[in-house]
Amino acid sequence: EVQLLESGGGLVQPGGSLRLSCVASGFTFSNSAMSWVRQAPGKGLEWVSTISGSGGSTYYAESVKGRFTISRDNSENTLYLQMNSLRAEDTAVYYCAKRPGITVAGHWDFWGQGTLVTVSS
Amino acid sequence: EIVMTQSPATLSVSPGERATLSCRASQSVSNNLAWYQQKPGQAPRLLIYGASIRATGIPARFSGSGSGTEFTLTISILQSEDFAVYYCQQYKNWPPLTFGGGTKVEIK
Repeated sequence: EVQLLESGGGLVQPGGSLRLSCVASGFTFSNSAMSWVRQAPGKGLEWVSTISGSGGSTYYAESVKGRFTISRDNSENTLYLQMNSLRAEDTAVYYCAKRPGITVAGHWDFWGQGTLVTVSS
Repeated sequence: EIVMTQSPATLSVSPGERATLSCRASQSVSNNLAWYQQKPGQAPRLLIYGASIRATGIPARFSGSGSGTEFTLTISILQSEDFAVYYCQQYKNWPPLTFGGGTKVEIK
């Protein structure tokens, strides 16, 4: 059974940093591209970032480019999102999501339950 | 950036009726389109990919159609568990990967 378990969310002041983690199980982690998708309170879904299975290729939304860094540790089956220079508009539930294969672009077949990030003073 | 527009924003339907949701792309995405269902407090769930392919375990009452810029998600006989928000997502031209604003299917 595929499982994705996010952690690391919380309350942070504007300009602060957080690192999100997503521990994966039930599939061959290194064979799947992974993404972060966020959802502001009461709003729709917004793609944030994607990383290839090897970790060699990364992609970002313009809204987070230069502030967020996606990475993965395939030996630990873990996906990360380092978030720096956080802004109020980054407040959202952050989901990690799994691609069904090695191609980086496409749909996601499993999603974690999400972790809430609140940026406020 | 490809803009995805969903309509209507809210759809009021009685259980047992058919629901038809629309998604329009600002330029052609071929068949590179997915649909997701999201219930309150839950993560999105994949329903359809490739515009018309049902994901594993998705009931046959869910069907997707369309290509290019116009897409439809049809729920043939609405069950109580189908009341939720539905999102379309394109993956033809990226970054960015983009979603529609969602359609809320509510009980009439």
